Amino acid sequence: NAGVTQTPKFRVLKTGQSMTLLCAQDMNHEYMYWYRQDPGMGLRLIHYSVGEGTTAKGEVPDGYNVSRLKKQNFLLGLESAAPSQTSVYFCASNVGKYRSYEQYFGPGTRLTVT
Amino acid sequence: EDQVTQSPEALRLQEGESSSLNCSYTVSGLRGLFWYRQDPGKGPEFLFTLYSAGEEKEKERLKATLTKKESFLHITAPKPEDSATYLCAVQARWQGAQKLVFGQGTRLTINP
Repeated sequence: NAGVTQTPKFRVLKTGQSMTLLCAQDMNHEYMYWYRQDPGMGLRLIHYSVGEGTTAKGEVPDGYNVSRLKKQNFLLGLESAAPSQTSVYFCASNVGKYRSYEQYFGPGTRLTVT
Repeated sequence: EDQVTQSPEALRLQEGESSSLNCSYTVSGLRGLFWYRQDPGKGPEFLFTLYSAGEEKEKERLKATLTKKESFLHITAPKPEDSATYLCAVQARWQGAQKLVFGQGTRLTINP
């Protein structure tokens, strides 16, 4: 099993450009999450999904959109990138039930917006 | 407000020197406390889940314990490969669903 994979690993954008980050998991997990990690801020939840076709806002959703058209994929979109979105983005997934709430993380995408 | 505070922010030990990392939390209705290890440039790697006060989990040189207000990650006779940032998180209710609330981590360095 590959677990949780993310593409791309690195990306540099100019202000105003758009892009999509792809997350894929092969563990048949129901729940998927997008976080950003910034120095001194810890991991913060951007959006999450509790199943195929569903999405919901997290703590810091502004400037991002998500889609979960297939159970194994969770896409994070930046509509018009801003320097404040420079960060490391992590995708995670979990079973979401049977007391199995631990989340499994991907390797991350380092995004720089200039 | 649900909150997780980890201390110290950074810890430097000699190989073989045992110590403990602290995770203090406030959450309404703890449903789980999680420890993760994060190496530079990588995603957090799941280590342990603890559900109730008094529970303990062990893995190699690591042992996690839980009380009603805090958790400890004890590191016994550490080796340089144990160097990493250790993250603590609690499961919290949020908008009818669940979310993890993370601490800012303890950066552990083990010198040979």
